Amino acid sequence: DTEVTQTPKHLVMGMTNKKSLKCEQHMGHRAMYWYKQKAKKPPELMFVYSYEKLSINESVPSRFSPECPNSSLLNLHLHALQPEDSALYLCASSQAWTGYSYEQYFGPGTRLTVT
Amino acid sequence: QKEVEQDPGPLSVPEGAIVSLNCTYSNSAFQYFMWYRQYSRKGPELLMYTYSSGNKEDGRFTAQVDKSSKYISLFIRDSQPSDSATYLCAMGDSNYQLIWGAGTKLIIKP
Repeated sequence: DTEVTQTPKHLVMGMTNKKSLKCEQHMGHRAMYWYKQKAKKPPELMFVYSYEKLSINESVPSRFSPECPNSSLLNLHLHALQPEDSALYLCASSQAWTGYSYEQYFGPGTRLTVT
Repeated sequence: QKEVEQDPGPLSVPEGAIVSLNCTYSNSAFQYFMWYRQYSRKGPELLMYTYSSGNKEDGRFTAQVDKSSKYISLFIRDSQPSDSATYLCAMGDSNYQLIWGAGTKLIIKP
């Protein structure tokens, strides 16, 4: 099973709302990632969790707050977003023997629209 | 200059043709090279993963890495309309992060 699942598939939220994106994997991977992808651009790394600890935060605004409740789950809490935050949000996972691995497996993404 | 250069296309070829997709890079420290396929409004799917130089084949797909030229390629034989997608190259740096190309949009015409 090489599946990463993400919910919801689509999300429309106002600038004052609070919402959460969820990601789950059952491959036994110990590194999980959040990426943001704008149209016709490659994915941009936001956060990396390795062994449930936040390892990389790519200077993402505090209106994005990641959480890793256990080795299979990854959440992204959203609050007071801006219209320019509208994008496809991708979760990925990989093996992590020494920290991370290059073979990352992606979920289908959550398409977020901020109005 | 970007670390990874990839022509965004679109590249349009007839069904059954051999497709060649390429990326060049500037960082000689890259050792891991990946190709992802991304269909419209979906997440990227890992197609091929290569360490260092050489060729790797998987079905209709062949990945080549030429580290002396800092050039990687993905060949698709007997291309099908279902291969129409954006193909992204990605390279692993020493911090285990992926450095991405811009992606090439491929269109296979029936």
